[in-house]
Amino acid sequence: DAKTTQPNSMESNEEEPVHLPCNHSTISGTDYIHWYRQLPSQGPEYVIHGLTSNVNNRMASLAIAEDRKSSTLILHRATLRDAAVYYCILSLLRGTSGTYKYIFGTGTRLKVLA
Amino acid sequence: DAGVTQSPTHLIKTRGQQVTLRCSPKSGHDTVSWYQQALGQGPQFIFQYYEEEERQRGNFPDRFSGHQFPNYSSELNVNALLLGDSALYLCASSLWSYEQYFGPGTRLTVT
Repeated sequence: DAKTTQPNSMESNEEEPVHLPCNHSTISGTDYIHWYRQLPSQGPEYVIHGLTSNVNNRMASLAIAEDRKSSTLILHRATLRDAAVYYCILSLLRGTSGTYKYIFGTGTRLKVLA
Repeated sequence: DAGVTQSPTHLIKTRGQQVTLRCSPKSGHDTVSWYQQALGQGPQFIFQYYEEEERQRGNFPDRFSGHQFPNYSSELNVNALLLGDSALYLCASSLWSYEQYFGPGTRLTVT
């Protein structure tokens, strides 16, 4: 299975942009790239996902490299509530039923400084 | 609209015992996936159920089994518990999309 590599931790000042990198050099053509975040004592929460093109939503932006071997999650203005573990995930599409599974890495713990 | 719910919230079992964890998917979702998250680690995929069948499985022994009911709810069963099975067990549901909604998890402690 393809794997993702992320820095263990990052720090950001409040109200500044944050760029969270992810490497996935063995990604295959049908694998989607997802980002989830997990707050303490909670289950992971969906942030954004994409396949080839850059994506924007109300929470964040996802920049995907042209060769798809890396991606970057961009939080435009970090707040204290954004402090969490951020996971870059590949969803592997397999089988005729169209089912898939998420492969999580160890994630990046984001600390936001007031 | 209720999200994904899991029960129980916490559970303490003894080595060798068996445990059953339960999950109710988000309304309208038909696919349920189970993950194990050890302390300080990312979630690890156990298996996924769709149309009451196990469709995909991660690298977990046969001691881990599951079931999906006609109402799409699901159970995770673990037999012959080991100390290493202590973890947060997460259930996620989806509807033929790549966005999985996770529940809050069940914290299992094996002593």
